[in-house]
Amino acid sequence: AQSVTQLGSHVSVSEGALVLLRCNYSSSVPPYLFWYVQYPNQGLQLLLKYTTGATLVKGINGFEAEFKKSETSFHLTKPSAHMSDAAEYFCAVSLRGNQGGKLIFGQGTELSVKP
Amino acid sequence: DTGVSQDPRHKITKRGQNVTFRCDPISEHNRLYWYRQTLGQGPEFLTYFQNEAQLEKSRLLSDRFSAERPKGSFSTLEIQRTEQGDSAMYLCASSLTGVDYGYTFGSGTRLTVV
Repeated sequence: AQSVTQLGSHVSVSEGALVLLRCNYSSSVPPYLFWYVQYPNQGLQLLLKYTTGATLVKGINGFEAEFKKSETSFHLTKPSAHMSDAAEYFCAVSLRGNQGGKLIFGQGTELSVKP
Repeated sequence: DTGVSQDPRHKITKRGQNVTFRCDPISEHNRLYWYRQTLGQGPEFLTYFQNEAQLEKSRLLSDRFSAERPKGSFSTLEIQRTEQGDSAMYLCASSLTGVDYGYTFGSGTRLTVV
């Protein structure tokens, strides 16, 4: 069965500091991997995704993530945090070849950015 | 295209009442998903449609819940005899066929059962 674990339910960084949000997955077959961001009282917005090809993927707002099969990880990073990055971030996985496209989400990591 | 639209944004209802939510997906998207999100948790899959066919339902979707997508366009999610445990954000998403496209989510309907 697939599962997603996000380490740290809350991460706090200073403005301008590196952002690192951790995601590990469990899947019996190569997965598709996604990061979504959610602002208060809003739906989720796709930040980036890994499906095939290059394992370092770049997304919106300066975020990027690297798929590491050996570590079953897909950590999200941003070199320099901005106040507007404060939000909830969700990692999600879907089975390659899953015709239904159902996503399994992690529990989320709340990012706080201090001035 | 204005994205995925959900109505209402907020709903407060008394326990035991029935409620219905509506989702209008992106017009060219043939897949539509319903998820439920409780405070501090990630979204949990409820059900999905490909065109008008409901192809998968989660065990979370008790017999009090029903979803439809007539004509493969908008979808409705109905909860009968609401319980306090139904209080959550109900999220709708749509996508093209093929999971690698990712979803486009609506802003959700927040249900409070009092």
